Amino acid sequence: NAGVTQTPKFQVLKTGQSMTLQCAQDMNHEYMSWYRQDPGMGLRLIHYSVGAGITDQGEVPNGYNVSRSTTEDFPLRLLSAAPSQTSVYFCASSPYGTGGVYGYTFGSGTRLTVV
Amino acid sequence: QQPVQSPQAVILREGEDAVINCSSSKALYSVHWYRQKHGEAPVFLMILLKGGEQKGHEKISASFNEKKQQSSLYLTASQLSYSGTYFCGTATSGGGADGLTFGKGTHLIIQP
Repeated sequence: NAGVTQTPKFQVLKTGQSMTLQCAQDMNHEYMSWYRQDPGMGLRLIHYSVGAGITDQGEVPNGYNVSRSTTEDFPLRLLSAAPSQTSVYFCASSPYGTGGVYGYTFGSGTRLTVV
Repeated sequence: QQPVQSPQAVILREGEDAVINCSSSKALYSVHWYRQKHGEAPVFLMILLKGGEQKGHEKISASFNEKKQQSSLYLTASQLSYSGTYFCGTATSGGGADGLTFGKGTHLIIQP
C-alpha cells in the first residue's frame, strides 16, 4: 500500500514549456485534489475531483488542467509554464464515506522551478 | 477566502502547552488540522464537524465553535516531535469533497 505517489519529485522547466505532474493513489479514494504551496501562503487549491470523470476548479486554476479518467490517477498539466508557477505541488486524496468524514492523505510533493 | 490562523509563530519549552486558533468568515461544515515538518508533506491530525464533539489525539485535541466559525487546536505537555507548521483546512460542503481552504499556518518550535 503505497498511499499517494507523486512524480517527479523535482523538476526544472523553461518558461513556455509544458509538463504533467503525475499523481496516483492505491487506496480507492474518491476525492482527489491538487494544491500549490508557496512560502507564507499556506496551501492553495488548484483543482479537485470527486470521482472518475468529474473535475472542477479550485482557488487558483489558471494555467493548469486536470483530468480524471480512473479512480487511481489525477494528473496535473501545466500548459505553458511561467515563473509564477514555481512552487511545491501536493496531490491529496480522501475516501468517500456515508456517515463519516475523513482527512486527506498527501503525496510527498513535486518541487517545480520555472526559469 | 483563507481562514485566519493565530498566532503566526510560537516558541515553547518542552512540556509547555500551546493553543492555535483558526477563524473563518464562512459557514463551515468541517475543520481539518494538519501538521507539516520541513520538507515533508502535511499529515492529517484530526477533523471537527459541525455539531460534533471536541476531538482528541493523545495530547493533542481540538474544538469547533460553530457560532463563531472558529476552531482551536490544543497541544498539552508539548514534545520535541510536535515541532512543525500547523495548518487548519476548512470545508464548506460535506466531507471536504470540493477540497479544503487552508490557513497560512502556525510555526511551532519546541525547545528542549
